[in-house]
Amino acid sequence: GEDVEQSLFLSVREGDSSVINCTYTDSSSTYLYWYKQEPGAGLQLLTYIFSNMDMKQDQRLTVLLNKKDKHLSLRIADTQTGDSAIYFCAGGDTDKLIFGTGTRLQVFP
Amino acid sequence: DGGITQSPKYLFRKEGQNVTLSCEQNLNHDAMYWYRQDPGQGLRLIYYSQIVNDFQKGDIAEGYSVSREKKESFPLTVTSAQKNPTAFYLCASSRQGSTGELFFGEGSRLTVL
Repeated sequence: GEDVEQSLFLSVREGDSSVINCTYTDSSSTYLYWYKQEPGAGLQLLTYIFSNMDMKQDQRLTVLLNKKDKHLSLRIADTQTGDSAIYFCAGGDTDKLIFGTGTRLQVFP
Repeated sequence: DGGITQSPKYLFRKEGQNVTLSCEQNLNHDAMYWYRQDPGQGLRLIYYSQIVNDFQKGDIAEGYSVSREKKESFPLTVTSAQKNPTAFYLCASSRQGSTGELFFGEGSRLTVL
């Protein structure tokens, strides 16, 4: 089955860029997703990328997909304290998404 | 506003007791899901349902049960057979034929005393 891996922690200074990385095993995913979870809350979809795309940009967010290496990344430009949260990548069938372990992003002044 | 409502937000249970977590959605979504979240382990799928009166086991269904009698509702029962039930439980729904986006509730935190 699908396995999705992420590093657990990332700490960045306010105003810098953050890059959160994810590797996955199942290359048959039609879409790959990034979700954000704020403390004590559910997850919200940040963005997604279709599997035949290499890059998607949405305001401060840039998603890069390297299908050969099965690597997905999320870049947040001009990171703000409000971006502090846990970020999950997810892939797999739409009926059964597999989530990564989540990366806790901490933004310090 | 449309969304998913989970209740209760916090729940305490003694060992050996069953407990039921509520999940209601007014998004008219066909599919609903229950995930369990533990620190450092991401989300793991417990059960999912794509249509009323039908549901499938996820990766960690043992010790849990669900029902789907109405489209809007997908309650999860944590039974006394679940060996380590203390966790954060998330309910989600999705629309068939969409990009697969899941809409999540705010979660229920269950603590076994």
